[in-house]
Amino acid sequence: EVQLVESGGGLVQPGGSLRLYCAASGFTFSTYWMHWVRQVPGKGLVWVSRISSDERISSHADSVKGRLTISRDNAKNTLYLQMDSLKVEDTAVYYCARAASGTRNSLDVWGQGTMVTVSS
Amino acid sequence: QSVLTQPPSASGTPGQRVTISCSGSSSNIGSNSVIWYQQLPGAAPKLLIYRSNQRPSGVPDRFSGSKSGTSASLAISGLQSADEADYYCAAWDDSLNGVVFGGGTKLTVL
Repeated sequence: EVQLVESGGGLVQPGGSLRLYCAASGFTFSTYWMHWVRQVPGKGLVWVSRISSDERISSHADSVKGRLTISRDNAKNTLYLQMDSLKVEDTAVYYCARAASGTRNSLDVWGQGTMVTVSS
Repeated sequence: QSVLTQPPSASGTPGQRVTISCSGSSSNIGSNSVIWYQQLPGAAPKLLIYRSNQRPSGVPDRFSGSKSGTSASLAISGLQSADEADYYCAAWDDSLNGVVFGGGTKLTVL
């Protein structure tokens, strides 16, 4: 079964750090572009970042540039989001998602999401 | 404020056809394909349309997408109560070098 499972979310103080994990299974992880998308409960989807299958290319939304960093370990079938200098406005459910084969941005498999709460 | 503009709500009765619009600019919809997602309450988003008008396997042909210039639309025919969800459009933005989403449209089946 094709599956993405996020973990690592939790409560952190402003200015703190957190690392999110996304474990992939059921498909050849190393051949797909991967993304992080976040959503404040009750609000809309917001794109965070993406990384190429060979991890050579990555992009981040301006709102997180320099603070949140996407990476991957194809040997471990795992996607990461390193979150530093966290702000209250980073509070959201974070989804990892796979771009469909042959595309870079059409997200056809999503995880269940992990909640990140930034609060003092 | 989202880069792509969608109406906040839409509604229809069972069996009816509804359309949801998505307006952008030359740097996103005008030069890249449009993607549509459906998000049921309490669930992760689901890919509905990619490359502006292509349906992934398993998505009923009641759902269709189109694009013209800097605007796109999602049409749902034969509306069902199970279609009650939030719908989001998205596209790559060449100027922002990132994916942009619409604010979402909440579809109510009356």
